[in-house]
Amino acid sequence: QQKVQQSPESLTVSEGAMASLNCTFSDRSSDNFRWYRQHSGKGLEVLVSIFSDGEKEEGSFTAHLNRASLHVFLHIREPQPSDSALYLCAVSMVSGSWQLIFGSGTQLTVMP
Amino acid sequence: NSKVIQTPRYLVKGQGQKAKMRCIPEKGHPVVFWYQQNKNNEFKFLINFQNQEVLQQIDMTEKRFSAECPSNSPCSLEIQSSEAGDSALYLCASSRDISNERLFFGHGTKLSVL
Repeated sequence: QQKVQQSPESLTVSEGAMASLNCTFSDRSSDNFRWYRQHSGKGLEVLVSIFSDGEKEEGSFTAHLNRASLHVFLHIREPQPSDSALYLCAVSMVSGSWQLIFGSGTQLTVMP
Repeated sequence: NSKVIQTPRYLVKGQGQKAKMRCIPEKGHPVVFWYQQNKNNEFKFLINFQNQEVLQQIDMTEKRFSAECPSNSPCSLEIQSSEAGDSALYLCASSRDISNERLFFGHGTKLSVL
């Protein structure tokens, strides 16, 4: 059973300072990784999807996947207060059930 | 703005009552997923559809929920007899294909079971 864990649970950064979020997964055969964010009272917004080791950039969001170490990171460049939200990592196996397994999130607060 | 429309935004039910929520997937998206997000931000996959057919569902959904995605009508998820533990945010998501490379979520229906 795939397990997805995120750290830290909460993170506070100053506006403009890089924010780094960590996600670990348990199944090395996973091949589909996404980062979402959820503003309070809203649905999930996909930020970046990554399918192979290395980096993928989407705007101010960069995902870094290292399958060997079972980590996928999200780096947020120059975050703004409007980026304050719950950030969720989700992992699925395309060859499996297509279900997304979510971590429990990192609550990011960006201080002005 | 989400193109996946979920109604109602909030739903309050008593224990034992039915609770029904609806989802209109994004136009042209035949694949629909339902997830449950509890207050601890734990997500549970409930069921998914491709066109009108159920692809997968967990035991809980099969036993206690009624779900459908009829053509030309909103998808729906209904709890037949609500329990306190069902209080959660129910998220609907749609995608162009089952690989769900681009999976778009609605804002959710927040269910409170008193």
